[in-house]
Amino acid sequence: NAGVTQTPKFQVLKTGQSMTLQCAQDMNHEYMSWYRQDPGMGLRLIHYSVGAGITDQGEVPNGYNVSRSTTEDFPLRLLSAAPSQTSVYFCASSYDGSGANVLTFGAGSRLTVL
Amino acid sequence: GQQLNQSPQSMFIQEGEDVSMNCTSSSIFNTWLWYKQDPGEGPVLLIALYKAGELTSNGRLTAQFGITRKDSFLNISASIPSDVGIYFCAGQLYYLSGYALNFGKGTSLLVTP
Repeated sequence: NAGVTQTPKFQVLKTGQSMTLQCAQDMNHEYMSWYRQDPGMGLRLIHYSVGAGITDQGEVPNGYNVSRSTTEDFPLRLLSAAPSQTSVYFCASSYDGSGANVLTFGAGSRLTVL
Repeated sequence: GQQLNQSPQSMFIQEGEDVSMNCTSSSIFNTWLWYKQDPGEGPVLLIALYKAGELTSNGRLTAQFGITRKDSFLNISASIPSDVGIYFCAGQLYYLSGYALNFGKGTSLLVTP
């Protein structure tokens, strides 16, 4: 199993450009989520999904959209990138939303917005 | 999100020393987790704690879920160079729509041979 796969690993954007960060998992996990990591800030939840067709906002959702059309994929869209969105983004999944199933993280996507 | 206060922010120790770090919160959590992040990688789970008062070990690592459910600590005994990394605590809350994991800001550990 590949686990949680994120692409691209690195991306540079200009302000106002749009892009999608891809996340795929092959573990049949129902729960998927996106976090951003900034220096000295830890990881902050952007959006999460408890199953296909269901998404919800986390702590810092502004400027990001998500959808969950399949169990395997949970893309994160930046509609109009801003320098404040420069960060490292992590996708994470777990079997379901219960506490007994802890998150497995991808390797991260480093985004720079100029 | 619920604020988690993790300390210390960084530690610089010699190989063989023991390490202790902790997390506190003003809110109650259902689950406490400890993750380690190596450079350029995503966090990897070290220990999960599910019940107040629970004390769990994983090799040289020991973690406890505080009785009040508002705190947790992680100890590393006899540190080695590969312990270098950033350690995060995380508290888990459950909602009707799922659950959310709130992370501390991390403890950066450096170990010198």
